[in-house]
Amino acid sequence: GAVVSQHPSWVICKSGTSVKIECRSLDFQATTMFWYRQFPKQSLMLMATSNEGSKATYEQGVEKDKFLINHASLTLSTLTVTSAHPEDSSFYICSARPQGVGYEQYFGPGTRLTVT
Amino acid sequence: GQQVMQIPQYQHVQEGEDFTTYCNSSTTLSNIQWYKQRPGGHPVFLIQLVKSGEVKKQKRLTFQFGEAKKNSSLHITATQTTDVGTYFCAGRAGNQFYFGTGTSLTVIP
Repeated sequence: GAVVSQHPSWVICKSGTSVKIECRSLDFQATTMFWYRQFPKQSLMLMATSNEGSKATYEQGVEKDKFLINHASLTLSTLTVTSAHPEDSSFYICSARPQGVGYEQYFGPGTRLTVT
Repeated sequence: GQQVMQIPQYQHVQEGEDFTTYCNSSTTLSNIQWYKQRPGGHPVFLIQLVKSGEVKKQKRLTFQFGEAKKNSSLHITATQTTDVGTYFCAGRAGNQFYFGTGTSLTVIP
């Protein structure tokens, strides 16, 4: 149980276009989902916390107009990278916290974004 | 600025030896979380500590949160090859959530 999926697993897009990444909790409901970014051989960086039915809370230094987050249901959150540029190329990982269960969170497999 | 550092950055141990990674924050954290990431995999949540001086155990893993809530440690007793991976600590200070720099553990059979 507690499986989180992400789609797509990898995507290549041209500079200036927008890309949407989906994060789904497959067998549980998640009131809270998290979006992270990970650079090669580096630690995770929390970008934002996504709460179902409300606006996401962005970490300091993360542009909310650039990284649009929508958490429309208890099993789906989306991250849209708008007007992508090569510096946005990275590994994006989401995680989901089961409803009513402590602090544990389950991570998705990640999405590799390459902007050319 | 705020930093969460982990030492050591890399550790090679013989199977059966113990392993400890230390997590140090420049400011007080409201909580500390630990994650494990296997090579090529995604992070897996291990535990969260909230209270000052808290100690929790999960089988061969012992987690501690310092009295001042600025440091934490993860100790693995009698390592096994399945313990291979990078261990990250993470915690919130104010309105910012920080991940540690990670400790990469290699276990030699």
